[in-house]
Amino acid sequence: DQQVKQNSPSLSVQEGRISILNCDYTNSMFDYFLWYKKYPAEGPTFLISISSIKDKNEDGRFTVFLNKSAKHLSLHIVPSQPGDSAVYFCAASAMGGSQGNLIFGKGTKLSVKP
Amino acid sequence: GAGVSQSPSNKVTEKGKDVELRCDPISGHTALYWYRQSLGQGLEFLIYFQGNSAPDKSGLPSDRFSAERTGGSVSTLTIQRTQQEDSAVYLCASSAYREAGQPQHFGDGTRLSIL
Repeated sequence: DQQVKQNSPSLSVQEGRISILNCDYTNSMFDYFLWYKKYPAEGPTFLISISSIKDKNEDGRFTVFLNKSAKHLSLHIVPSQPGDSAVYFCAASAMGGSQGNLIFGKGTKLSVKP
Repeated sequence: GAGVSQSPSNKVTEKGKDVELRCDPISGHTALYWYRQSLGQGLEFLIYFQGNSAPDKSGLPSDRFSAERTGGSVSTLTIQRTQQEDSAVYLCASSAYREAGQPQHFGDGTRLSIL
């Protein structure tokens, strides 16, 4: 039973446009959400995070939105650049017994076309 | 370098052999995690170390898997009597401390192929 779901395995966007990557979760105990970016043959790189007490966090071209009632978050990249082409993983964690362990989605492969 | 270092980067071995994977975390990071990523899947948590505390082994898939962390730094993940379903990329991560939301810094992984 997947606790973190990324239902779109791939997304293609034109350079300069907005990329929107979606993530849904089922465990209401999750209170931190993180996005990682992964290039082939490299480890995931931390991108941005959000606490459940917030509904938005912004860092440069990257913004994460959290809708707790819908158990949904999204990563917006604007404007998209060819160098953003990578696999993006959504991850969640919870305070308590397994605090710190990240539960990952299966990832969405973003392709930004020049 | 300053990042998490994993070795070997690639390992090909025959079914039934034992393998040992190594992780050198970022200096000063007390928390160390092992994950694996099978083809087409997300990252699956395996085991976690925090300082001198007993490790959290709740993610280990079978008793063929074990890990240790010596001196609070380098960690080795050992898989005994490897099976083909063990083929995956094994990723190590470290963080300054263990807390929900604390970003984990990943190595580039060891790609394990069991023939």
